[in-house]
Amino acid sequence: EAGVAQSPRYKIIEKRQSVAFWCNPISGHATLYWYQQILGQGPKLLIQFQNNGVVDDSQLPKDRFSAERLKGVDSTLKIQPAKLEDSAVYLCASSPGAGQVYDNEQFFGPGTRLTVL
Amino acid sequence: SQQGEEDPQALSIQEGENATMNCSYKTSINNLQWYRQNSGRGLVHLILIRSNEREKHSGRLRVTLDTSKKSSSLLITASRAADTASYFCATDARSSNTGKLIFGQGTTLQVKP
Repeated sequence: EAGVAQSPRYKIIEKRQSVAFWCNPISGHATLYWYQQILGQGPKLLIQFQNNGVVDDSQLPKDRFSAERLKGVDSTLKIQPAKLEDSAVYLCASSPGAGQVYDNEQFFGPGTRLTVL
Repeated sequence: SQQGEEDPQALSIQEGENATMNCSYKTSINNLQWYRQNSGRGLVHLILIRSNEREKHSGRLRVTLDTSKKSSSLLITASRAADTASYFCATDARSSNTGKLIFGQGTTLQVKP
C-alpha cells in the first residue's frame, strides 16, 4: 500500500513570496489533515478535511493560508504572502475516517520543509 | 493549543536499557496515541489506547493510561540505537467529534550503542 505522498520535500523562498504544497493521501482515506511543525515542537493542526469538506480550520491563519481538497482526494496548501515565522515543516496526514466512529490513527507523509528568508 | 505535555523533554540511555516517557493532558479524551518521528521524517503511529483501557502492549512497547490523573506513559524495553527519535503523545478530546488530534511537544530519545 502506497503511503502519503508530499511534494516538494524542500522549499526556500523570500518573505512575501507565495508557495504551494501538494499532498496525495492513501487511497480510500476519507480524512486529510495539514499540520505545521515548528522546530522543537509538536505538530499543530492547520486544517482537516472530511472528503472534500472542511471539518476544522480553527487554527489556519486565513489571511495568508488557504487549502483545498478537490474531488476529495489530493490537497494543496498555499501560503500567500509568506512570513519569516512560517518557516516550518508542513506535514500532511490521512486516516480512513475520523470522529467517534473510528479509531483515528493517522498516516503521515514525509513533510515539506519550508524556509522563508 | 497543546494539550499533551511530555516529560522528560530529552532522554539519553544506553542500548539495552529501558526508556520511559510520560504524557499529561488536560481534558477528557476518547483515545490517546503515541507517534515516533525520526529526524527529518514524518510521524509514524506506534500505538493507540482508548479511554476505557488501562494498558496496552505492542512488541517492545508498553503504554499505560490513567484517566483519573490524565496521564499516560510509554515504555520501550531493551532499547536499540534505531529507537533514537522523537516521541509524541496525541489526544483525541472527547469534546471533539471530528477525530482531531492535539500533539504534545515531544520527548527526544537518544539511545547510545
